[in-house]
Amino acid sequence: QQQVKQSPQSLIVQKGGISIINCAYENTAFDYFPWYQQFPGKGPALLIAIRPDVSEKKEGRFTISFNKSAKQFSLHIMDSQPGDSATYFCAASIFSAGGSYIPTFGRGTSLIVHP
Amino acid sequence: DAGVTQSPTHLIKTRGQHVTLRCSPISGHKSVSWYQQVLGQGPQFIFQYYEKEERGRGNFPDRFSARQFPNYSSELNVNALLLGDSALYLCASSLEGDSYNSPLHFGNGTRLTVT
Repeated sequence: QQQVKQSPQSLIVQKGGISIINCAYENTAFDYFPWYQQFPGKGPALLIAIRPDVSEKKEGRFTISFNKSAKQFSLHIMDSQPGDSATYFCAASIFSAGGSYIPTFGRGTSLIVHP
Repeated sequence: DAGVTQSPTHLIKTRGQHVTLRCSPISGHKSVSWYQQVLGQGPQFIFQYYEKEERGRGNFPDRFSARQFPNYSSELNVNALLLGDSALYLCASSLEGDSYNSPLHFGNGTRLTVT
């Protein structure tokens, strides 16, 4: 059962445009929502993260919008650049019975930014 | 600062064989977790260890096992390899599991191909 649904699967934007990637979750026990960026041949790298008590977090050109009632969160990349071309994963973490936080990842969005 | 290091980077095995993957965490990180990333998918959680104790186990068969050593490095073992085990295996370290105050830092993975 997929607990974190991510869309779109792929996205093409022009340089300078806004890239928007959406995620939805089902389990209200999730309490940490990070976004990761992954380039080919590399492991995912944390981009930005949010807690459910905050509706928006901005770091440079990257913004997370969080809607707790709708159980949805999204990543906005402003002024998208060709160097932003990568695969983006949303994730949600839950505190497990084992005493640690365990993440569940979305399936990823392949972003291509044309010059 | 050295990041998370994984070895080997690539590995080719035959069905039925056994494989051991290794991971060295960032200095000071006491938690190591393992993920399987099939091409075109998000990482799937396999195991998490903290202070040498297993803190979480994902939905993987008993052919998968892991351990963490006193220096916090870790090994992932997979027995009786199947073609479907072909994937990128990612290791991530953190201070104490995945959370807002203890984000994951991923290595670049081991690409396992089973023929």
